[in-house]
Amino acid sequence: GEDVEQSLFLSVREGDSSVINCTYTDSSSTYLYWYKQEPGAGLQLLTYIFSNMDMKQDQRLTVLLNKKDKHLSLRIADTQTGDSAIYFCAESGGSGGYQKVTFGTGTKLQVIP
Amino acid sequence: DGGITQSPKYLFRKEGQNVTLSCEQNLNHDAMYWYRQDPGQGLRLIYYSQIVNDFQKGDIAEGYSVSREKKESFPLTVTSAQKNPTAFYLCASLTQGENIQYFGAGTRLSVL
Repeated sequence: GEDVEQSLFLSVREGDSSVINCTYTDSSSTYLYWYKQEPGAGLQLLTYIFSNMDMKQDQRLTVLLNKKDKHLSLRIADTQTGDSAIYFCAESGGSGGYQKVTFGTGTKLQVIP
Repeated sequence: DGGITQSPKYLFRKEGQNVTLSCEQNLNHDAMYWYRQDPGQGLRLIYYSQIVNDFQKGDIAEGYSVSREKKESFPLTVTSAQKNPTAFYLCASLTQGENIQYFGAGTRLSVL
């Protein structure tokens, strides 16, 4: 079945850039997503990218997609303490009317002041 | 204010008891989902529903049941058959046009 993998932990200093990486196995993925989860809360969509795109930028966030290697990354510029959270990579694709979304295990980002 | 509301935020279950988690959305989304989140694991799909009066099992449906009598509501019952129910439960809904899942704030279920 589909699989999405992420490293479990990343620590950066405030003001530096953070890069969170993700690999996936489903070659028929149509959308790839990044969600943010703060402690005790639900998942908040940060950004998403269509599988026919290479890059998407949204303020401090840059998403890069290497479809050949099935690799997705999220770069957060000028990382702030408020960016400390768990970041989930997810992909969707599916036949019929059902969009199955597969989530990674999440990367916990710790921002050191 | 549109969104997905899950209640209660915290829930405790006694041995042998069934408990029901509520999920309501006013986004007019057709599809709704229930996920279970355990520490260090991703989200695992319990049940999903694409339309009223229809729902399908996800990857870990055993010990759970759902209903979808109204478009806005998709309650999840954790039955006594679920032997390890302690987890964080997340409800989501999706609109086909955007292919984006929106999440509620979650319910944390613990066993007494």
